[in-house]
Amino acid sequence: AQSVTQLDSQVPVFEEAPVELRCNYSSSVSVYLFWYVQYPNQGLQLLLKYLSGSTLVKGINGFEAEFNKSQTSFHLRKPSVHISDTAEYFCAVILNDMRFGAGTRLTVKP
Amino acid sequence: NAGVTQTPKFQVLKTGQSMTLQCAQDMNHEYMSWYRQDPGMGLRLIHYSVGAGITDQGEVPNGYNVSRSTTEDFPLRLLSAAPSQTSVYFCASSYLDAGIDGYTFGSGTRLTVV
Repeated sequence: AQSVTQLDSQVPVFEEAPVELRCNYSSSVSVYLFWYVQYPNQGLQLLLKYLSGSTLVKGINGFEAEFNKSQTSFHLRKPSVHISDTAEYFCAVILNDMRFGAGTRLTVKP
Repeated sequence: NAGVTQTPKFQVLKTGQSMTLQCAQDMNHEYMSWYRQDPGMGLRLIHYSVGAGITDQGEVPNGYNVSRSTTEDFPLRLLSAAPSQTSVYFCASSYLDAGIDGYTFGSGTRLTVV
C-alpha cells in the first residue's frame, strides 16, 4: 500500500482564487508529514512540516496545512494564489526514510 | 551560498557506460540521500547515509552504488547504465535522520541513457 497518496495529479486555478491540494497518508506510518514545492528545473524546497503540536501548520509563501488524524489527511491550502505559485507540490511522510507522493501540478492562470 | 551542490547538471550516457554523479554539501549535515524523480512517480529513494562510512539501501538501489568517505561528499555511481535509469537525480541532506528536520535538495542531474 502507498504510504502517501496525492489525490489530484493536476489542479488548474485562476489567480487570486483559493486552492487546496489533497494528501492522504497510510495510518501505519509515523505522523511526521511534509509538503515540498518544486519550481521548473529546480530542486525541491520545504514548504512546511508537521511533527507534533498544533494541527494547523503555517509555511512559507502563505501556505498552510492541517493535520487530520481521524481522516489521515494533510491537505495544503492557500487562500489566494499568485501566478508565481505555479509549480509541482509533493506531500511526504517519514517511514524509516522519507517517502514522497506522486506530486500535484498546480497551474495558476491569469 | 551554503547548500547542496550537484554535478553535472546534464549527462547523456550510452547503454553499458558507467559514471559518477557528484553531491557535496557544506552545512555539516550528517544525513544524505539520493532520490530519482520520474513522471507520475514522485521521488524514490535510492541510497542514503547517516554519516561518514555508513550507507544503506533505499527503495530502488539496484544498479547504483554509493560511498561516504567524508561528511561533505556523497557520490552516486551507475555501474552499467541502462535506459531504465533515464531520470532526474536529486541529492538531499539534513541534520537529522531521514530528513525529519526538512531536507535541503540540490538542483538535480538530468540523466539520459541511450
